[in-house]
Amino acid sequence: DAGVIQSPRHEVTEMGQEVTLRCKPISGHNSLFWYRQTMMRGLELLIYFNNNVPIDDSGMPEDRFSAKMPNASFSTLKIQPSEPRDSAVYFCASSLRSSGNTIYFGEGSWLTVV
Amino acid sequence: QQQVKQSPQSLIVQKGGISIINCAYENTAFDYFPWYQQFPGKGPALLIAIRPDVSEKKEGRFTISFNKSAKQFSLHIMDSQPGDSATYFCAASTSNTDKLIFGTGTRLQVFP
Repeated sequence: DAGVIQSPRHEVTEMGQEVTLRCKPISGHNSLFWYRQTMMRGLELLIYFNNNVPIDDSGMPEDRFSAKMPNASFSTLKIQPSEPRDSAVYFCASSLRSSGNTIYFGEGSWLTVV
Repeated sequence: QQQVKQSPQSLIVQKGGISIINCAYENTAFDYFPWYQQFPGKGPALLIAIRPDVSEKKEGRFTISFNKSAKQFSLHIMDSQPGDSATYFCAASTSNTDKLIFGTGTRLQVFP
């Protein structure tokens, strides 16, 4: 079975540009998470969805960040406008709510904003 | 109160030695404590997890020790191998939410 699939794997963009990160969760999973990883702050939960509904977005840094989950098999994280301090690895993860909280991570999207 | 504090930040161990990573939490509502392993360029992957109804869980060379009264838990890697070199994260959550709170990570290097 395929794991969590993220795209793009790497993105370099200029400050001020819009960035869209995409995620396909594991089929059948009903929870989806977006995490950001940096050296300074470690792994931070940005937002998570359950059954396509945003449950907790308290980790979203500011209004420049938005996330959507239009259906059970797709989610996006958008940054507009991007800033150099947004440079990080963004991970999407998914879980099946009944499985005891085990979440499965994708391989990440490495974002560099110059 | 939502934080999970992890130490040390980095750890160097000789092959065959024991690696020990510690975590502490404040929120007594936490009832699920996993450890994740992350190799460079990869996403974190679940290594082993424990619930507070037991004080220890062992899977192969990996053991979690849990001290509920002290609100601490630790990962022990016995007979550490160079292939164990990775970053390890502890985490915690409550059963009524999927939200995992991660520690800051420990970079383990095992030298031959």
